[in-house]
Amino acid sequence: EDKVVQSPLSLVVHEGDTVTLNCSYEVTNFRSLLWYKQEKKAPTFLFMLTSSGIEKKSGRLSSILDKKELFSILNITATQTGDSAIYLCAVGSSNTGKLIFGQGTTLQVKP
Amino acid sequence: SAVISQKPSRDICQRGTSLTIQCQVDSQVTMMFWYRQQPGQSLTLIATANQGSEATYESGFVIDKFPISRPNLTFSTLTVSNMSPEDSSIYLCSVLVWGTDYEQYFGPGTRLTVT
Repeated sequence: EDKVVQSPLSLVVHEGDTVTLNCSYEVTNFRSLLWYKQEKKAPTFLFMLTSSGIEKKSGRLSSILDKKELFSILNITATQTGDSAIYLCAVGSSNTGKLIFGQGTTLQVKP
Repeated sequence: SAVISQKPSRDICQRGTSLTIQCQVDSQVTMMFWYRQQPGQSLTLIATANQGSEATYESGFVIDKFPISRPNLTFSTLTVSNMSPEDSSIYLCSVLVWGTDYEQYFGPGTRLTVT
């Protein structure tokens, strides 16, 4: 059965800290791995990763995929209170477009 | 990217009634999806709605309970039928678009509470 597992499930840090969120997966016909940020309702797209070892970066956020070890990490440097959210990892299987989501990591950044 | 709108944004419904949720996209898309997010849970795919064919439902979801329409490439509806409190969730529409690669975007969601 396809599954996506995120860790930790929750995390509390202080502003300025660096955090690393983990996502491991077992999915047949892997196509891509996506990271989303969810604050209130709709998840907001952050990154899509398809190739191993190529870091994607957007401001203080970066992510990388390891297709051999079947995991990805999302790094956030110099965290701010606005980074407080649920971070979701999802894996797309083949060309169906279906996404399998992990449980999410709830990040709280304290002032 | 794609801009997705949903109606209603939230509703409170009585047990046994039905609610139809609308999803509108600002561009033509082939693949559209409906997800559910129950309180404190992650997202679960309900069905894939492709224009010109019947929706494909995931295990645990059936057409009688969640009928879907996809009349064109920019619009879809999801109906939650004969509702019970267990149907209280956020329902999200999602589309797959081709940018530099396939990218998947979500609508703002519909927060449904069944009393």
